[in-house]
Order: sequence, then C-alpha cells, then structure tokens
Amino acid sequence: DAGVIQSPRHEVTEMGQEVTLRCKPISGHNSLFWYRQTMMRGLELLIYFNNNVPIDDSGMPEDRFSAKMPNASFSTLKIQPSEPRDSAVYFCASSSRASSTDTQYFGPGTRLTVL
Amino acid sequence: AQSVTQPDIHITVSEGASLELRCNYSYGATPYLFWYVQSPGQGLQLLLKYFSGDTLVQGIKGFEAEFKRSQSSFNLRKPSVHWSDAAEYFCAVETGNNRKLIWGLGTSLAVNP
Repeated sequence: DAGVIQSPRHEVTEMGQEVTLRCKPISGHNSLFWYRQTMMRGLELLIYFNNNVPIDDSGMPEDRFSAKMPNASFSTLKIQPSEPRDSAVYFCASSSRASSTDTQYFGPGTRLTVL
Repeated sequence: AQSVTQPDIHITVSEGASLELRCNYSYGATPYLFWYVQSPGQGLQLLLKYFSGDTLVQGIKGFEAEFKRSQSSFNLRKPSVHWSDAAEYFCAVETGNNRKLIWGLGTSLAVNP
C-alpha cells in the first residue's frame, strides 16, 4: 500500500493567495483527519471526516479555512486568503473505523510558508 | 477537559542507555492511549497503543509502555537506545465519542554517540 499521499510536500505563497492542500487516504479507510503542526501550538486537529461527511470541524481556525471530501479517495484543505500565521506543517491521516481503537496513519505532511 | 501532558520537552541520552518518556493524561473514562514517533521531516508513525488488557504494551522498534491508572500515566520505555531513535515522540489519548485524539506537545529525543 502506498500509504497516505499528500501534495504538495512544500508550498511557498504570498499573503492573500489561495492555497489548496491535497490528500489521498489509504484505500479502504473511511475516516480522514486534517492536522496542523506548529512549534507554538503542537499538533492540532482541524477537521475530521467519516464516510466523506465532516463530523467535527471545531478545530478549523476561521472562515478562511475550508475542507472537502468529495469521495472516499480524495480530500482538500483550502485556505483563502492565506496569512503568514498560517505557516505550518499540515498533516492528513486516515484510519479504518473497524474498531474504535484503530490506528491513524499519517501522510508525510505539507510544509506551508506564507510570506 | 481531556488533556495530555508530556513534562519533558527535550531529553538527551547516550546510545545504549535506557530511556523513559513520561506521559500523563486527564480523562474521566477508561482511556485509549497511544505513542507516536515523528522523525525529522516525516509524518507520525504509531509505536504502540493501549486500550484494554495487559497494562504493559509492546510496540515496534523495541519500545514498550506501561499504563498505570492510579497515576494517570502511560510512560514509554526502551532498554537500550539506538542513534536512529532520535526523533520527536508524542503521546495521545482518544476521547471516545468522535474518536478525536488529544495530543501532548511532544518530547524531543537526542541521542549522543
């Protein structure tokens, strides 16, 4: 299995630009998580999907952030407009809901720099 | 509210020495507990997890962790550290209903040759 795939691996953009991060979960997994990691705040859950439906988006910082999961094999996290404080590493993770103790498998992350 | 505390921000050990990374949690029900490792520039990888049964859990790469309910702890241990173990280690607790993980801030491990 290829694991969780994220693209791009690195993104550098200017303040005010739209940024779209992409994630392909592991085939057969039906839960998908978007995280943000910074030195100051550590690892934060932004949003969680189950069977393509957003279950908990309480971690989404503000309206500039949006996430979609149009099908079981693809999800996007969009920031519009981007700001320097959005600079972070964004991780996507997927898991199988076969049991409540299943493991979350993480992608390699997208390092976002907003200038 | 649920929380996870990793008291040690940074630890340095010599190669071959034993290791213990501390994790304390605050959660009202029986917790599901996890340790993940993050190598530089990489995503997080599960080392081990506890959800029931034997309180001493074995994981990958020679790691183990012990769940102590009385101390609300889930400390990670390894008897002999290798240079390749240098990484960031995260403890997490699953909160149950919506399967969110609450994460500690991590412990950075450096290994001296």
